[in-house]
Amino acid sequence: VTQTPKFRVLKTGQSMTLLCAQDMNHEYMYWYRQDPGLGLRQIYYSMNVEVTDKGDVPEGYKVSRKEKRNFPLILESPSPNQTSLYFCASSYGTGGSEQYFGPGTRLTVT
Amino acid sequence: DAKTTQPPSMDCAEGRAANLPCNHSTISGNEYVYWYRQIHSQGPQYIIHGLKNNETNEMASLIITEDRKSSTLILPHATLRDTAVYYCIVRGLSGTYKYIFGTGTRLKVLA
Repeated sequence: VTQTPKFRVLKTGQSMTLLCAQDMNHEYMYWYRQDPGLGLRQIYYSMNVEVTDKGDVPEGYKVSRKEKRNFPLILESPSPNQTSLYFCASSYGTGGSEQYFGPGTRLTVT
Repeated sequence: DAKTTQPPSMDCAEGRAANLPCNHSTISGNEYVYWYRQIHSQGPQYIIHGLKNNETNEMASLIITEDRKSSTLILPHATLRDTAVYYCIVRGLSGTYKYIFGTGTRLKVLA
């Protein structure tokens, strides 16, 4: 699983797309954010192309899944509370399948 | 999905076995126990998972109690590179696709 960029600093309201790609032909893909003291929280997930749903903290984010390998996370009008470490993951299935995580994108919104 | 409880931190001497406990008293019959770890701020890494039988792979062993209300991850010969945050997650085969990671156990392996 690859993620780009690795680091980014944005100004409030400056839109941004975090990219995620996997080459394992996985059906399922996920986005998480990680904040100190709060652990990893799921933002959105996708079960297949054109099928997505909200996780625990979807506010302020959008996703799309037009191709199996890509699952971009869109911040249309970022705010400082979206400063976080973002991880993308993919898995073959859900219940009995492990997730493979990308290296993360550290995003700062000023 | 069942909630898990883990101690916030543990220390282990290098070369000794690290035993990381996890309580999941509300687990249901079709829910798996997964373990992941996160080294520094890298992406979490899958370690092992199991349903009711004990499991072993090249990284670790997973011991699940007979009533399935708790489990232990065992790193048989801990090294300094095993210093990480370890997450125990319980997840079913169906239902929501949410993975609830919690705050995990911070394992420090001491030289």
